[in-house]
Amino acid sequence: AQSVSQHNHHVILSEAASLELGCNYSYGGTVNLFWYVQYPGQHLQLLLKYFSGDPLVKGIKGFEAEFIKSKFSFNLRKPSVQWSDTAEYFCAVNAAGGYNKLIFGAGTRLAVHP
Amino acid sequence: DAGVTQSPTHLIKTRGQQVTLRCSPKSGHDTVSWYQQALGQGPQFIFQYYEEEERQRGNFPDRFSGHQFPNYSSELNVNALLLGDSALYLCASSLTPSGTYEQYFGPGTRLTVT
Repeated sequence: AQSVSQHNHHVILSEAASLELGCNYSYGGTVNLFWYVQYPGQHLQLLLKYFSGDPLVKGIKGFEAEFIKSKFSFNLRKPSVQWSDTAEYFCAVNAAGGYNKLIFGAGTRLAVHP
Repeated sequence: DAGVTQSPTHLIKTRGQQVTLRCSPKSGHDTVSWYQQALGQGPQFIFQYYEEEERQRGNFPDRFSGHQFPNYSSELNVNALLLGDSALYLCASSLTPSGTYEQYFGPGTRLTVT
């Protein structure tokens, strides 16, 4: 069965610290990978996505993620976080070439302190 | 351009009752997916509607049913409510059912079953 695992449920950082959120997936085929973010009081929105090609993808607000196929991982990174990055982050996957059924991880709640 | 809208915002029901949740997709989108997000968890895929038919279904019982109308709006119905059905129900729309198209999420309907 398809599944997504996010390593950390809660992360607390100070502003300007570097961020890396782990994501591993289990799926027996080619996948599309996504990171979604939910800011306090707002809708889920897409941060970045990977379909094919360069395994290092850049998203909005300075976020990037690296797809490592051999490790079934798609970790999210940001070199220097800001207070406004406080949010919940979800990794998700769907089957490449298939319908848009997203499988989400449990989420990581990030708190950035000024 | 209106995004995905959902109604109602909050709902309180009693065990055994039935509930209907509504979703209007983003303008130009013809595919609607429904997700259930329990507290502290990531969204779980319920089902997807395209061309007024259920195209894909997650691991949810038949108590969960849906409908898509000719204007692409959708309803989620849950019969014989259980306490465990308490969750945030998210609607997402996309341009097509293809997995390579971004899903746009609505604000959700918070269902509480007492």
